[in-house]
Amino acid sequence: DIQMTQSPSSLSASVGDRVTITCRASQSISSYLNWYQQEPGKAPKLLIYAASSLQSGVPSRFSGSGSGTDFTLTISSLQPEDFATYYCQQSYGTPHTFGPGTKVHIK
Amino acid sequence: EVQLVQSGAEVKKPGESLKISCKGSGYSFTSYWIGWVRQMPGKGLEWMGIIYPGDSDTRYSPSFQGQVTISADKSITTAYLQWSSLKASDTAMYYCARHAERWLQSPFDYWGQGTLVTVSS
Repeated sequence: DIQMTQSPSSLSASVGDRVTITCRASQSISSYLNWYQQEPGKAPKLLIYAASSLQSGVPSRFSGSGSGTDFTLTISSLQPEDFATYYCQQSYGTPHTFGPGTKVHIK
Repeated sequence: EVQLVQSGAEVKKPGESLKISCKGSGYSFTSYWIGWVRQMPGKGLEWMGIIYPGDSDTRYSPSFQGQVTISADKSITTAYLQWSSLKASDTAMYYCARHAERWLQSPFDYWGQGTLVTVSS
């Protein structure tokens, strides 16, 4: 299985801050990397697919980059509705493993 | 409009069997992979497996192979996740989700609302 790691596991930030979350794969996954947002009590929501493509309807303050083994999710200006947990997922090979998640808290 | 509607919460005893469902609508059910994802209380997302309803091709995570069965009935556009003998450690929220494209390497773009399974004596 391909192992996914994320850092940090949690972070505190203020509204308007720029936030960066990193994700690393245990082997090259090309650009088959997706990012999801999960608010408490809700199903996950797709934000970014293929490392850098913004899902339809997702605000442009979210962006993704990277290829191979190292990837980042950036929120350019954190909004109140962005306080949630973020997961990366590789879809290069089954099982399509998820990272452990990064919880974004209000500072 | 694409929708995945899951069956309701379940409370079961250890050793009992269970089958939960995920009904797809608003798209060609047989043409997109559907997957199942587990989330244990307070924990992260775990990919369990996927099925292609068109031909019932099924892939499992090694962590779940032999522990659950994934199936689909294309006549009623419904996917299933079942257990033959539940354990307390199966207590979790289970989500179904659809792949965005017809190819396996696409992301999950639509998710069901989740089915909470509680296993307790």
